[in-house]
Amino acid sequence: GAVVSQHPSWVICKSGTSVKIECRSLDFQATTMFWYRQFPKQSLMLMATSNEGSKATYEQGVEKDKFLINHASLTLSTLTVTSAHPEDSSFYICSASSGEQYFGPGTRLTVT
Amino acid sequence: QKEVEQNSGPLSVPEGAIASLNCTYSDRGSQSFFWYRQYSGKSPELIMSIYSNGDKEDGRFTAQLNKASQYVSLLIRDSQPSDSATYLCAVNLQAGTALIFGKGTTLSVSS
Repeated sequence: GAVVSQHPSWVICKSGTSVKIECRSLDFQATTMFWYRQFPKQSLMLMATSNEGSKATYEQGVEKDKFLINHASLTLSTLTVTSAHPEDSSFYICSASSGEQYFGPGTRLTVT
Repeated sequence: QKEVEQNSGPLSVPEGAIASLNCTYSDRGSQSFFWYRQYSGKSPELIMSIYSNGDKEDGRFTAQLNKASQYVSLLIRDSQPSDSATYLCAVNLQAGTALIFGKGTTLSVSS
């Protein structure tokens, strides 16, 4: 089956620093990748849609200058959380689509 | 506003029983329907996809779709304790677009 990886799987950073999360489709080319955020006991909330070679489309309420998304190739998308604050602590999950969507294992971000 | 509704549960069933999970969606234009399983602290895992009215079976899992009623369900036969997880219903308007998720139903299978 389709495999999507994410790195790192967990990260702890200090308030004010930036964190980059990578999402890779390992055995297929993904024209579209999606970034979700999930808070405890809640469902996945779409943050942005990323198409290779073009600017990401952000959902309402998601700050594009804070959550920088780059989709440089058909197998790699990155999410950079800039100037992170404790309220950004969450479980960030990417998915890659070649029709059906396959999720990465997620990255747990804790901002202290 | 596009919405996907699920009963949050918890749904408790004994081992070996049939678990029935339900989902309704608001957008009649929805084309694709998915069930994901999510264990605590893990990302969602695709269990079933269904695109046309009727039933689709895969092992112990059966997905049922009724577009007229805007209703999709998941049946789990011979439930096992390892099936205990949160089950997320998701829909999208067309392939390649973002999924819209329900809040999930927590299933607990007791041995």
